[in-house]
Amino acid sequence: DARVTQTPRDKVTEMGQEVTMRCQPILGHNTVFWYRQTMMQGLELLAYFRNRAPLDDSGMPKDRFSAEMPDATLATLKIQPSEPRDSAVYFCASGLAPQETQYFGPGTRLLVL
Amino acid sequence: GESVGLHLPTLSVQEGDNSIINCAYSNSASDYFIWYKQESGKGPQFIIDIRSNMDKRQGQRVTVLLNKTVKHLSLQIAATQPGDSAVYFCAENTYWSGGSNYKLTFGKGTLLTVNP
Repeated sequence: DARVTQTPRDKVTEMGQEVTMRCQPILGHNTVFWYRQTMMQGLELLAYFRNRAPLDDSGMPKDRFSAEMPDATLATLKIQPSEPRDSAVYFCASGLAPQETQYFGPGTRLLVL
Repeated sequence: GESVGLHLPTLSVQEGDNSIINCAYSNSASDYFIWYKQESGKGPQFIIDIRSNMDKRQGQRVTVLLNKTVKHLSLQIAATQPGDSAVYFCAENTYWSGGSNYKLTFGKGTLLTVNP
């Protein structure tokens, strides 16, 4: 059945290194979301795209985070340089439209040392 | 003292009992609500949804109730099973004029533990 996929599933890196997370949305979904989940803050929306265009990235630290959709089958979230406070689980979700149900991927667990 | 993390509401039930998980939402303009289940190490999984023109919707073993007067949402799970143990999130979808689009806002979650 159709699922959102994310790679890598786990990433351990050192402070200052670049981290790139990838997401393949469900085929036909034109809306893609990036979330971050931590024990302290819960589930936070970082950015989302509709038809590959960024609609809202107000939840994302602009100085180090960037999100793109090079094509309809790939969304990327990049952190450069990474910091220990970025350690979290990052989820990608996709949906048919922003007002419709979002389907989540399995997440990328990031640990920045 | 200072909080060291989210203090999730918890609900502990016996296997076979019915569970009720509650959620208060904030925006009276929200018109679509979703319940998600998140098991340890996995992403949130869609369970059931309801639109604001309804007050009840049933699925397989689950029922969602919406009370717009008091901005309250509940998830009822019938004959709860050990596999139902997870964190349950409610989410409200609200039209956000700042981005001219919809935005899904998640609650903090409730931890359900099912005892065999």
